[in-house]
Amino acid sequence: DIVMTQTPLSSPVTLGQPASISCRSSQSLVHRDGNTYLSWLQQRPGQPPRLLIYMISNRFSGVPDRFSGSGAGTDFTLKISRVEAEDVGVYYCMQSTQSPPTFGGGTKVEIK
Amino acid sequence: EVQLVESGGGLVQPGRSLRLSCAASGFSVDDYAMHWVRQVPGKGLEWVSGISWNGAMIDYADSVKGRFTISRDNARNYLYLQMNSLRAEDTALYYCAKDIMSRGWCTGLRPWGQGTLVTVSS
Repeated sequence: DIVMTQTPLSSPVTLGQPASISCRSSQSLVHRDGNTYLSWLQQRPGQPPRLLIYMISNRFSGVPDRFSGSGAGTDFTLKISRVEAEDVGVYYCMQSTQSPPTFGGGTKVEIK
Repeated sequence: EVQLVESGGGLVQPGRSLRLSCAASGFSVDDYAMHWVRQVPGKGLEWVSGISWNGAMIDYADSVKGRFTISRDNARNYLYLQMNSLRAEDTALYYCAKDIMSRGWCTGLRPWGQGTLVTVSS
């Protein structure tokens, strides 16, 4: 199985400041079809996960543009340009290039 | 509105069975791959099983292979997870989730249901 490693474990951020989360996979996530199936999910306290970004950098409909994804191969990043109070929660990367799909361990974003 | 609602969780003894249901609305389950993902409260996410839009591809995590069976009722628009020989380590909140791409596999999962809690304990 592909192992997904997220850093940091926790990210205390000042409101209005940027935040960045890194996700590294144990092998390349480039699928034989040429696409890279790396997505980012947000889980607010007490809520189910919610997809933010799919295929590295595509924002799902309705997701604010302060969220952006980048990367290639085995190294990926989620950035929040200006953290708002509603962004508090745990963020997960997920690969679905190879079955079984696997998740990173999560990064907790909290307000300083 | 696209919505998923899970049910069927509860307290069950080790070795017993349970069937989870996921009622889908706002779309047809036979147009999208559907997945089950579980989460021990306070911990991370673990993919459990998935079924492709046409049922041609079904896959399981090694931890549940041979014990769990995923299925779908297209007429009722439901997804199921039959869980047999349950173990304490199966205790978790079980979510069903829909792939975002019609006739894809797992491009991205959204939405997710609210989850149904399974507790395996004597």
